[in-house]
Amino acid sequence: DGGITQSPKYLFRKEGQNVTLSCEQNLNHDAMYWYRQDPGQGLRLIYYSQIVNDFQKGDIAEGYSVSREKKESFPLTVTSAQKNPTAFYLCASRHRNTEAFFGQGTRLTVV
Amino acid sequence: GNSVTQMEGPVTLSEEAFLTINCTYTATGYPSLFWYVQYPGEGLQLLLKATKADDKGSNKGFEATYRKETTSFHLEKGSVQVSDSAVYFCALPSPFGNEKLTFGTGTRLTIIP
Repeated sequence: DGGITQSPKYLFRKEGQNVTLSCEQNLNHDAMYWYRQDPGQGLRLIYYSQIVNDFQKGDIAEGYSVSREKKESFPLTVTSAQKNPTAFYLCASRHRNTEAFFGQGTRLTVV
Repeated sequence: GNSVTQMEGPVTLSEEAFLTINCTYTATGYPSLFWYVQYPGEGLQLLLKATKADDKGSNKGFEATYRKETTSFHLEKGSVQVSDSAVYFCALPSPFGNEKLTFGTGTRLTIIP
């Protein structure tokens, strides 16, 4: 089945530690996205990529980094510079003017 | 750029009640419009979409009509069920080939038996 897979489902980060969230899709979509969702809030765009080896900052990119070395993969690193990383992270992919497909999300908690 | 304004929540209804969640948009041209649903602890799923003006999207008893005259895409359901409790998001793409999707703030719906 085609789809988009995020891992892990739950992730715990210690203060000052970098962590990487995985996002893989087998839908052959060109565009991929990372969103952050805080409790009771909407979605905020962190980074997006329209093509391999290229990506753009979204609205809240500070403290995050991404790479797009393969069409299928768009990992997100939450760096120690992100002061409030506890949130629900959603990855999505999309092909041109069609709808976006979302993964099941990763819940990141700082301990 | 394109934007959406979504009805503030939360919304609480009794089972079998009629549901409307308002969504209005500002857009260049006539982009596709989407409604997504998010169940607790999960990602977003596409609920329905409309690709051009006057189109009606429908799925699982939900409907929304793309109305260019009122720049609206309101979500409706005639008889809600407890299982419809979720957060609903209206969305549209950015203009001019930019691949970003813009989402509304989300409306939390709770259905009580």
